[in-house]
Amino acid sequence: DGGITQSPKYLFRKEGQNVTLSCEQNLNHDAMYWYRQDPGQGLRLIYYSQIVNDFQKGDIAEGYSVSREKKESFPLTVTSAQKNPTAFYLCASSTQDRGSMFFGEGSRLTVL
Amino acid sequence: AQSVSQHNHHVILSEAASLELGCNYSYGGTVNLFWYVQYPGQHLQLLLKYFSGDPLVKGIKGFEAEFIKSKFSFNLRKPSVQWSDTAEYFCAVISYNTDKLIFGTGTRLQVFP
Repeated sequence: DGGITQSPKYLFRKEGQNVTLSCEQNLNHDAMYWYRQDPGQGLRLIYYSQIVNDFQKGDIAEGYSVSREKKESFPLTVTSAQKNPTAFYLCASSTQDRGSMFFGEGSRLTVL
Repeated sequence: AQSVSQHNHHVILSEAASLELGCNYSYGGTVNLFWYVQYPGQHLQLLLKYFSGDPLVKGIKGFEAEFIKSKFSFNLRKPSVQWSDTAEYFCAVISYNTDKLIFGTGTRLQVFP
C-alpha cells in the first residue's frame, strides 16, 4: 500500500539532545513537508522540499534541520537549539500540482 | 507574508444545524485552497479543494466551500451537521509563487445530538 511512514511514533529526549524524526513515502511524490502541530496554533510549516537535494525554510525553521538526499525520504532533526521542541510533528507529501496530499500518522516528541 | 485566518476557534452546534466556518487568506496572487478535517485520533484528510473553475466546490460528506476572490475567502459550509462531523477543521492555502502550503489555526467543531 502506498503511503507515508513516520517514525518513531513517540519519542522522549532529554534537554540538550538532538533527535531525528524519520519520514518515508512510497507515493513517488516530489514535494515533502514537515509541520508542527500545537493546540490552538494549527499546523505550522517547518521545512519543505520540492525536489531532491533542495529544501526551503518554512515559517518556524529555527532549531530544525532537514535533508533530502532521496526522493522518498525527508528526515527532520530537532536540534538542541529549538527552545520549545515538545510537540506533535507531521510529515506530508504531495504531487507537483498539490492536488493530492498525504499526511503521516505523526510523531509526538516530548522533551524531559 | 502569506497567512490564513480562521476566526472561529470553537463552534458548538446541535445536530441538523447549518454550519459555516470562515477562512480568509492574505496572499493576492494565484492560489490553491483546501479544507482538511482531522477526526479525533485520526490523520488529516482532505475535505475539498479549489484550483480553478466553478468557485463553489463540493467535497466529501456533504461539505461545500465557496471561493470569493474579492474577499480572499474560502468559507466551508454544510446545510445540516451530524454528530459524526465533530472534528477539527483546517483551511490551507498554497500560492503558485512560493509553493508553501500554509494552514490556518483550525476550528474545533462539536456537534451534540
